[in-house]
Amino acid sequence: KAGVTQTPRYLIKTRGQQVTLSCSPISGHRSVSWYQQTPGQGLQFLFEYFSETQRNKGNFPGRFSGRQFSNSRSEMNVSTLELGDSALYLCASSPQGPMNTEAFFGQGTRLTVV
Amino acid sequence: GQQLNQSPQSMFIQEGEDVSMNCTSSSIFNTWLWYKQDPGEGPVLLIALYKAGELTSNGRLTAQFGITRKDSFLNISASIPSDVGIYFCAGQLSSGNTPLVFGKGTRLSVIA
Repeated sequence: KAGVTQTPRYLIKTRGQQVTLSCSPISGHRSVSWYQQTPGQGLQFLFEYFSETQRNKGNFPGRFSGRQFSNSRSEMNVSTLELGDSALYLCASSPQGPMNTEAFFGQGTRLTVV
Repeated sequence: GQQLNQSPQSMFIQEGEDVSMNCTSSSIFNTWLWYKQDPGEGPVLLIALYKAGELTSNGRLTAQFGITRKDSFLNISASIPSDVGIYFCAGQLSSGNTPLVFGKGTRLSVIA
C-alpha cells in the first residue's frame, strides 16, 4: 500500500508570491491534516479535512488555506509569502475521520522563502 | 494552544544503553502516539496507545499510557546507531474531535 505522497519535496519562493502544495493520502484514508514544522515551534497544526470539508483549523492567518477533493487528495495554499513561512510542511492522513488518531505522515515539502 | 511537555529535549547516549523519554500535560488525553523523525523525512508512527495503563511494545521500543491519562513515556532498550533521530509524542484530547497535539521532540544521539 502506497504511503502519503507530498509534492513537491522542495520549493523556493520569493516574498509576496503564493504557493500550492499537494498531498495524496493513503488509499482509503479520508482525513487529511496539514502541519507546519519549524525548529523553534515544532509541529503546528494548520487544518484538517474530511470528506471535502474543513473539520478543524489551527491558529494561522487567512493567508493559509486548503481544500480536499472528492478522491481525498488535498492541497494547501499560502498567499503573500513571508520569510517566516519557511518551514517543512507535513501532510498526514488517517483512516478514520474526522479525528487524527494514528496519523501517517508524508515526507513533507520543504518551503524556503527568500 | 494546548502543549505537551516533552523531556528531555536532547540526549547523548552510548550504543547499547537504554533510553527513556516522557510527555506530560495538564489535560486528559484519549490517545497517545509516539513518532520518530529522521532528518529530511516525515515522522513515522512507532506506537499508539488507547487505554490508561496500557503498555505496548514494538521491538526494542516500549511505551505506556499513564494511568492519570495526562502522561506517557517511551523506552528504547539496547540502543543502536539507527535509533538516532527526533522522537515526538502526540496526543488527542478527550474533549472530542480535536486534532493531535505534539510535543517539541526529544533529539536522540547515539555514540558508537
